[in-house]
Amino acid sequence: EAGVTQFPSHSVIEKGQTVTLRCDPISGHDNLYWYRRVMGKEIKFLLHFVKESKQDESGMPNNRFLAERTGGTYSTLKVQPAELEDSGVYFCASRGSVGRDNEQFFGPGTRLTVL
Amino acid sequence: AQSVAQPEDQVNVAEGNPLTVKCTYSVSGNPYLFWYVQYPNRGLQFLLKYITGDNLVKGSYGFEAEFNKSQTSFHLKKPSALVSDSALYFCAVISGYSTLTFGKGTMLLVSP
Repeated sequence: EAGVTQFPSHSVIEKGQTVTLRCDPISGHDNLYWYRRVMGKEIKFLLHFVKESKQDESGMPNNRFLAERTGGTYSTLKVQPAELEDSGVYFCASRGSVGRDNEQFFGPGTRLTVL
Repeated sequence: AQSVAQPEDQVNVAEGNPLTVKCTYSVSGNPYLFWYVQYPNRGLQFLLKYITGDNLVKGSYGFEAEFNKSQTSFHLKKPSALVSDSALYFCAVISGYSTLTFGKGTMLLVSP
C-alpha cells in the first residue's frame, strides 16, 4: 500500500511568487490534514478536510493560503503571493474514517523556501 | 487550549544505555497522546499512542511510553538505545476533533 506522497519535495521561490503544493493521501482515507513546521519550532496545524469538505481551517494563517481537495482525493495548497515567513516544511497527513484517535500517516513534506 | 511541552532540544545517550525523551501536556478532558519520529529526509512516523488503559504503552522499534496523569507527562523510553534511533522525536496530543498539537521536537543523538 502506497503511503502519503507530496510534491514537490523542495521548492525555492521569490517573494511575491505563487507556489502550489500537492498531497496524495493513502487511498480510501477520508481525512486529510495539512501542517507546517517553521524552522526549529512546533509543527502547526493548518487545516483538515473530510472528503472534499473543509472540516476545520482554523490554522490557516491568512487569505494568501488556499487549500482545495477536489473530488475528495488529492489536495493542493496554494500560497499566493508568498512571503518570507511562509518558509518552512509543509506536511500532509491522512487518516481513515473510523476513530479520531487513530494515527495519522504523514507524507515526507515539502520544504518551501521563500527568498 | 491544548499544549505540549518537550523541555529538551536535544538528548545525548551512548549506545546500549537507556534513553528518555520527556513530554508534558496540558489538555482539558482525557488526553489522547502520541509519539512520532522523523528520520532525516523522511516524513513523521507513528511510534505509539495512549488513549486509555495501561499507563505503559509499547510501540514500534522497542520504544515505550509511560502515561502519568498526576504529573501530566508522557515520557518516551527505550531500555537500550541504538545508533539508528538517532532522529527527531515529536510528542503530540489530539486537540479539537482530531487535529494534532505537537511539541517542538527533541533531537535524539545516540553515540556509538
